[in-house]
Amino acid sequence: GAVVSQHPSWVICKSGTSVKIECRSLDFQATTMFWYRQFPKQSLMLMATSNEGSKATYEQGVEKDKFLINHASLTLSTLTVTSAHPEDSSFYICSARGTSGKYEQYFGPGTRLTVT
Amino acid sequence: AQSVSQHNHHVILSEAASLELGCNYSYGGTVNLFWYVQYPGQHLQLLLKYFSGDPLVKGIKGFEAEFIKSKFSFNLRKPSVQWSDTAEYFCAVNVNSGNTPLVFGKGTRLSVIA
Repeated sequence: GAVVSQHPSWVICKSGTSVKIECRSLDFQATTMFWYRQFPKQSLMLMATSNEGSKATYEQGVEKDKFLINHASLTLSTLTVTSAHPEDSSFYICSARGTSGKYEQYFGPGTRLTVT
Repeated sequence: AQSVSQHNHHVILSEAASLELGCNYSYGGTVNLFWYVQYPGQHLQLLLKYFSGDPLVKGIKGFEAEFIKSKFSFNLRKPSVQWSDTAEYFCAVNVNSGNTPLVFGKGTRLSVIA
């Protein structure tokens, strides 16, 4: 149980275009979803926290107009990287928390974004 | 805000050696503690977690960790490592209240050589 999926697993896009990444909780309802970013050989940095039906809360230094997060249902959250630039190339990982196992977070497999 | 320190950046061990990876956190209140592993090219997997109770926690694949509250530490141990334990290990913490996210340490890369 507690499976989180992400789609796509990797994407290459041209500079200036937008990319949408989906995160789904497959067998539980995710009241809260978290988006992290991981640079090569570095740790996970929290980008934002989103609760279903509410606006996301962004961490300091994360541009909310660039990284659009939507958590429209209890099983789906999306991260859209708008007007992508090469420096946005990274590994994006979503994590979900349900109503049970209050403090646990379940992680998706990640999406590798390369902006050319 | 809480923070997590992992002092070992890269650890190299021979097979069958014992492992201990350090993790310290800074937060004065009650926390939940986790260790995750990330094998090359794979996603995060939970090794073990501590919420309350016995401070010695056993996880998967022979790993264990001990919560020492007075030292704000949650070190990961394994008596005898295998080549397949080569991976990146992350310690993570969240506050035991509200809906706070996990905060990760910078990770420790473990290389096990034959």
